[in-house]
Amino acid sequence: DVVMTQSPLSLPVTLGQPASISCRSSQSLVHSDGNTYMNWFQQRPGQSPRRLIYKISNRDSGVPDRFSGSGSGTDFTLKISRVEAEDVGVYYCMQGTHWPPWTFGQGTKVEIK
Amino acid sequence: QVQLVQSGAEVKKPGASVKVSCKASGYTFSDYYIHWVRQTPGQGLEWMGRINPDSGATDYAQSFQGRVTMTRDTSISTVYMELSRLRSDDTALFYCVRDDFGTIDYWGQGTLVTVVS
Repeated sequence: DVVMTQSPLSLPVTLGQPASISCRSSQSLVHSDGNTYMNWFQQRPGQSPRRLIYKISNRDSGVPDRFSGSGSGTDFTLKISRVEAEDVGVYYCMQGTHWPPWTFGQGTKVEIK
Repeated sequence: QVQLVQSGAEVKKPGASVKVSCKASGYTFSDYYIHWVRQTPGQGLEWMGRINPDSGATDYAQSFQGRVTMTRDTSISTVYMELSRLRSDDTALFYCVRDDFGTIDYWGQGTLVTVVS
């Protein structure tokens, strides 16, 4: 199974400041079809996760443009350009390239300092 | 709009079984696989398996093989996940999710299953 390793696991940030989360996979996430099925999810307290980013850098409808995804191969990053209070929660990376199974990172808890 | 609505919380004894439902709406039920994901404080998010709502074909994670069964009822656009021989460490939130080709585009609201003697 592909192991997804996130860092940091806890991220205290100041409102208005940037934040960055790293996710590394144990093998390349480039699929034989040429796509890289790397996704990011946000889980706010008491809610189900929701997708923010798919295929490395595609933002879902309704996701603020302060969220961006980047990376390639085995190294990926989710960036929040200016953290707002509503961004508090846990962020997960997930790979859908090497299936089965889908695998997730451990989660990064973002909180306000 | 796409919705996945799950059944309510359950409390079960060790050794029992639980069956969770997931009703889909807002899209053609047979067009998208449905997967189940378990969330626990210790293990995080864990993929359990998937079902093809059209054919009923299933694929299960090795760690759940022999204990999980996924079925569907196309007449009511509902998928079911049954987990048997429950243990205390099965206490978790269970989510049904829609597969959008290598990603999850929609999540159910989650069903809390508590296993306690």
